Amino acid sequence: GDSVTQMEGPVTLSEEAFLTINCTYTATGYPSLFWYVQYPGEGLQLLLKATKADDKGSNKGFEATYRKETTSFHLEKGSVQVSDSAVYFCALRGTGRRALTFGSGTRLQVQP
Amino acid sequence: DTGVSQNPRHKITKRGQNVTFRCDPISEHNRLYWYRQTLGQGPEFLTYFQNEAQLEKSRLLSDRFSAERPKGSFSTLEIQRTEQGDSAMYLCASSGRGQGYEQYFGPGTRLTVT
Repeated sequence: GDSVTQMEGPVTLSEEAFLTINCTYTATGYPSLFWYVQYPGEGLQLLLKATKADDKGSNKGFEATYRKETTSFHLEKGSVQVSDSAVYFCALRGTGRRALTFGSGTRLQVQP
Repeated sequence: DTGVSQNPRHKITKRGQNVTFRCDPISEHNRLYWYRQTLGQGPEFLTYFQNEAQLEKSRLLSDRFSAERPKGSFSTLEIQRTEQGDSAMYLCASSGRGQGYEQYFGPGTRLTVT
């Protein structure tokens, strides 16, 4: 079945550092890929998405590129801020499916 | 607030009791989803409605769980004879054609079974 693997956290960075959170997936066909973010005390919010190979999703300075050859969708940001501290979830929606399959989440802590 | 709302936000119950949660989706969304999230894990899919029809159920949805969406608006998730293993955050999401069927999540209901 479909699955998503994320790097374990927590990831601790200083403000303005470069961020990479790795995400790889297993799925048949051509899934859509997503990054969701969960800020402390809040619900899940869609951060960005990509629906086909080589698409780049971007939002709020975050980017991720859909790499079918490596089955990856790594999240990157050039300069993190304290306000980016949150839990980040990689997810996929399999071909012909409605449900999302999530990774286990990666907690990011940004220190001033 | 026009987002997805869930009630109650917190529920503490004793093992063996029944509990019911409610989800109110974004008004124009015809699809509604329930997920369960345990500590340190990502959400896991439970069930999905399109309008009032329940179209998919996960293996996680045991016989003690039942979900309804009468008239295709709000939805309820009932757990009968709760067990300690049911303790989790129950998340509701909705989606609609106008936003490319992307799923928007509510704040969740945290269930603690003692």
